[in-house]
Amino acid sequence: SQTIHQWPATLVQPVGSPLSLECTVEGTSNPNLYWYRQAAGRGLQLLFYSVGIGQISSEVPQNLSASRPQDRQFILSSKKLLLSDSGFYLCAWSASPSSYNEQFFGPGTRLTVL
Amino acid sequence: QKEVEQNSGPLSVPEGAIASLNCTYSDRVSQSFFWYRQYSGKSPELIMSIYSNGDKEDGRFTAQLNKASQYVSLLIRDSQPSDSATYLCAVNGSWGKFQFGAGTQVVVTP
Repeated sequence: SQTIHQWPATLVQPVGSPLSLECTVEGTSNPNLYWYRQAAGRGLQLLFYSVGIGQISSEVPQNLSASRPQDRQFILSSKKLLLSDSGFYLCAWSASPSSYNEQFFGPGTRLTVL
Repeated sequence: QKEVEQNSGPLSVPEGAIASLNCTYSDRVSQSFFWYRQYSGKSPELIMSIYSNGDKEDGRFTAQLNKASQYVSLLIRDSQPSDSATYLCAVNGSWGKFQFGAGTQVVVTP
């Protein structure tokens, strides 16, 4: 069966510090991968998605970036965090790019920027 | 106009009653529709998928889809306190991009 991991689970960072969040998927090959952010009491905002190694599409221009160095690894980064970057960061995967694919979420990383 | 709209709630439901959640969407080419359950502080968990007009039942959950009217609903029968959560509606468009609603909070009262 497929498993998705995220780490760290929680993170408290000062404004202006760098960020690196990691997501890995097990039990599947060539998944589509997604990064979402959920602000407190809000819906999910798609940040990045990837259909393959090195292929990243950005949905929202901001100070975040994403990379996919391996088939089942997805990394979210920032050089300098802003207060507005606080939120619940979720990685998700789906099996194919068709219109019927289901997305499955990792446990998430709760980021607080102070 | 939001692409996927849900009532934010909270929807208060007595234990044992039916909870009815609604979701409307704006993209007419949407092909697939999903309901996720999210407990406080946790990540969303997929509970239902529906692709064709009509009803789909899975245990105490029934999803209903009406593409002509662009709405999808979720019924939770025999509501239990463990059903207290936020329910997210998601709509999948032409290439696989999900649009999520903001969620409806359900509170099941004993």
